[in-house]
Amino acid sequence: RKEVEQDPGPFNVPEGATVAFNCTYSNSASQSFFWYRQDCRKEPKLLMSVYSSGNEDGRFTAQLNRASQYISLLIRDSKLSDSATYLCVVNREYGNKLVFGAGTILRVKS
Amino acid sequence: DAGVIQSPRHEVTEMGQEVTLRCKPISGHDYLFWYRQTMMRGLELLIYFNNNVPIDDSGMPEDRFSAKMPNASFSTLKIQPSEPRDSAVYFCASSSDTGTEAFFGQGTRLTVV
Repeated sequence: RKEVEQDPGPFNVPEGATVAFNCTYSNSASQSFFWYRQDCRKEPKLLMSVYSSGNEDGRFTAQLNRASQYISLLIRDSKLSDSATYLCVVNREYGNKLVFGAGTILRVKS
Repeated sequence: DAGVIQSPRHEVTEMGQEVTLRCKPISGHDYLFWYRQTMMRGLELLIYFNNNVPIDDSGMPEDRFSAKMPNASFSTLKIQPSEPRDSAVYFCASSSDTGTEAFFGQGTRLTVV
């Protein structure tokens, strides 16, 4: 079993749609959680950190469920520019080992 | 700051040759990571350093791979001898502290023929 698992997609959605991605992790002692975004042939970049209380940044909302070892990302009012691969990232309970999921592909179409 | 700098951006080499990838982390960052990305396996952590010391190299695929960090501003990933299955994009990243954002370089696209 992979340490961080994501549905690879692709998710094909129209502009303006709301889309949600899920991610599960296997290490119950993981401490830090993130969503990164990767555009085609580019490097990954931080989209947002994920906090236990949930957090929102504009159209993006991230949630963490420690009991179920589950992280989610919700994108409202999708834009064409949101098309990318979204990577779920988990940090181990010690050290600073960032483990990436395989990513979920989002395609927003007009 | 210019961000994480990797070189070369592209490398094409013949099987059996030695390949050296280079990375300059962001100044002041204590952590440096080497990742490999392929379509089949996604983004895999190969090794990471803290204050120039290798902390976890469990992701290094085999003895053909080695990484060094002789000082806080430079790291290398070496493959010797290279094989076609090593073809991938290799990313270097750095971060300032545990649990903080990792900043990635633009990557080195390696093709072994």
